Amino acid sequence: GESVGLHLPTLSVQEGDNSIINCAYSNSASDYFIWYKQESGKGPQFIIDIRSNMDKRQGQRVTVLLNKTVKHLSLQIAATQPGDSAVYFCADRGGSNYKLTFGKGTLLTVNP
Amino acid sequence: EAQVTQNPRYLITVTGKKLTVTCSQNMNHEYMSWYRQDPGLGLRQIYYSMNVEVTDKGDVPEGYKVSRKEKRNFPLILESPSPNQTSLYFCASTPLLPLAREQYFGPGTRLTVL
Repeated sequence: GESVGLHLPTLSVQEGDNSIINCAYSNSASDYFIWYKQESGKGPQFIIDIRSNMDKRQGQRVTVLLNKTVKHLSLQIAATQPGDSAVYFCADRGGSNYKLTFGKGTLLTVNP
Repeated sequence: EAQVTQNPRYLITVTGKKLTVTCSQNMNHEYMSWYRQDPGLGLRQIYYSMNVEVTDKGDVPEGYKVSRKEKRNFPLILESPSPNQTSLYFCASTPLLPLAREQYFGPGTRLTVL
């Protein structure tokens, strides 16, 4: 079936560096993409989303880039902080179905 | 505070003993969903509901039941739990409109079936 995957299961960065987390999706009908952050012992928290009619969206210290040609999504975190340490999931929604298909997650570790 | 709540947060039970995990949201969302999270497998959808009295299977519905008698509540029922249902469970909700909206997740329920 259709699925969303991640290129890197773990990412370790130094505090203050920029982080880039990548994601590939396979459903060409996907029209909406989300990045979630999950800290240990907590539920996923919304970070940023992007619709398929956009290729870039910026939030506070985060940017999501969407390349529909190669079905690739990335999350950029500027000036990464220890509090950014968590597992990051991308998810996509295909068509009018509200179902989200999640990737397996990338563990981001920020070293002080 | 807008939130999704789940109870219990932790549960240890034995094979075959029926249990219910409750989920409630106070945001008047139409869509609610249950996921399970397992190492290496990510989040997989169990069941979802588009509105009151409307439920449907997700990717891994076997061994689970749900009901949606009220808009705010979406309980997950395990009639005869088995050890392979040991997992971390999340409930989520979202409004139907606007279409492009994130799902709001509860804090999770860690279930162990012995």
